[in-house]
Amino acid sequence: AQSVTQLDSQVPVFEEAPVELRCNYSSSVSVYLFWYVQYPNQGLQLLLKYLSGSTLVKGINGFEAEFNKSQTSFHLRKPSVHISDTAEYFCAVTFGSSNTGKLIFGQGTTLQVKP
Amino acid sequence: DTAVSQTPKYLVTQMGNDKSIKCEQNLGHDTMYWYKQDSKKFLKIMFSYNNKELIINETVPNRFSPKSPDKAHLNLHINSLELGDSAVYFCASSQAGGIGTEAFFGQGTRLTVV
Repeated sequence: AQSVTQLDSQVPVFEEAPVELRCNYSSSVSVYLFWYVQYPNQGLQLLLKYLSGSTLVKGINGFEAEFNKSQTSFHLRKPSVHISDTAEYFCAVTFGSSNTGKLIFGQGTTLQVKP
Repeated sequence: DTAVSQTPKYLVTQMGNDKSIKCEQNLGHDTMYWYKQDSKKFLKIMFSYNNKELIINETVPNRFSPKSPDKAHLNLHINSLELGDSAVYFCASSQAGGIGTEAFFGQGTRLTVV
């Protein structure tokens, strides 16, 4: 079955420290991968996406992610976080066999940046 | 100008009532979606329309009925509301075809059934 797993439900980190939010997927077909951010009481905003090509993708707000096909992972990283990065982060995939644009989401990771 | 807008943002209603949530997108996209976010923040697709045609209907109770009068609008009508329907409902849109394309989300409608 096709699925997405975010391994950490909460990640507390101090301001200016680096952070990694983990995402793994399960699929027998090709995938397209996304990270979305949800600030409190707001909708989802795209941080970055991997469709093809270079496995290291850069997104907005200094975030980047690396696609690792052998480990079926798409971890999100930022070298130095700010208080304003406190939010819910969702990893999502669409599968190559689907042309509907249907997103399968992970359970979400709450990033808590402390001063 | 808001790309994907939903109304209302908050909706509190009693069990058994019928309510609607409206969604409009001004991005020129052909595909629109409804997602449900539960109390644990888990997001799951409910419906998708492509150019007014229903293309995804996940196992959603018949009490939920989407309607797309044109490709820029996708409304969600819910009959006989139940306590378990309390959630945040997100509308989204993307370009036609959908393969690997970005979905743009609305701000969400927080539905509370009392």
